[in-house]
Amino acid sequence: DAKTTQPTSMDCAEGRAANLPCNHSTISGNEYVYWYRQIHSQGPQYIIHGLKNNETNEMASLIITEDRKSSTLILPHATLRDTAVYYCIVRVRERGSTLGRLYFGRGTQLTVWP
Amino acid sequence: GAVVSQHPSWVICKSGTSVKIECRSLDFQATTMFWYRQFPKQSLMLMATSNEGSKATYEQGVEKDKFLINHASLTLSTLTVTSAHPEDSSFYICSARPLGGRNTDTQYFGPGTRLTVL
Repeated sequence: DAKTTQPTSMDCAEGRAANLPCNHSTISGNEYVYWYRQIHSQGPQYIIHGLKNNETNEMASLIITEDRKSSTLILPHATLRDTAVYYCIVRVRERGSTLGRLYFGRGTQLTVWP
Repeated sequence: GAVVSQHPSWVICKSGTSVKIECRSLDFQATTMFWYRQFPKQSLMLMATSNEGSKATYEQGVEKDKFLINHASLTLSTLTVTSAHPEDSSFYICSARPLGGRNTDTQYFGPGTRLTVL
């Protein structure tokens, strides 16, 4: 069961920042928020993850609200190649043989326009 | 780094035959690999967790006798779809969790295998 809610689709102009929201109001204390994206007919690509603090890497920034009930993925300068389905995932905290399972929701289809 | 490959990238088979899909971590070792299935215009569905040297853990509703998983080494997991039928046609994707990953571990995904059963 996906524990996140995302808009079905979003548009963004090339060169502009793309801000993708995600609600995860039932997130538990030690559960991480992960973002992946999937370009059509390819395997998902890891983007970024975080727990409490905001995170930034070469691909994107992740802003997590103080109450951790929502987050926003920011692509600072979107390009046409960023067109993909973006998945926000709360990683289940568990031990043993099933450690690390990810459950994907429907994600947000981001379309970047020229 | 963190490259995962799958073979084959696509396969077409006749109904009733078995198909084996390989998932390899190319530049890291993975004690845990995961298998997903994705139907057209749908999200990824986790099928099973594959652990090196032990039996796989299947998600509810996934038939373990139909989807055989073997994780014989730290870099290879295989998924065999036995007695495949047209409804098994799907995009099968694996991911691998690097050995020694912390609680914040990241999974790296393969490019997927497109299975078409005639």
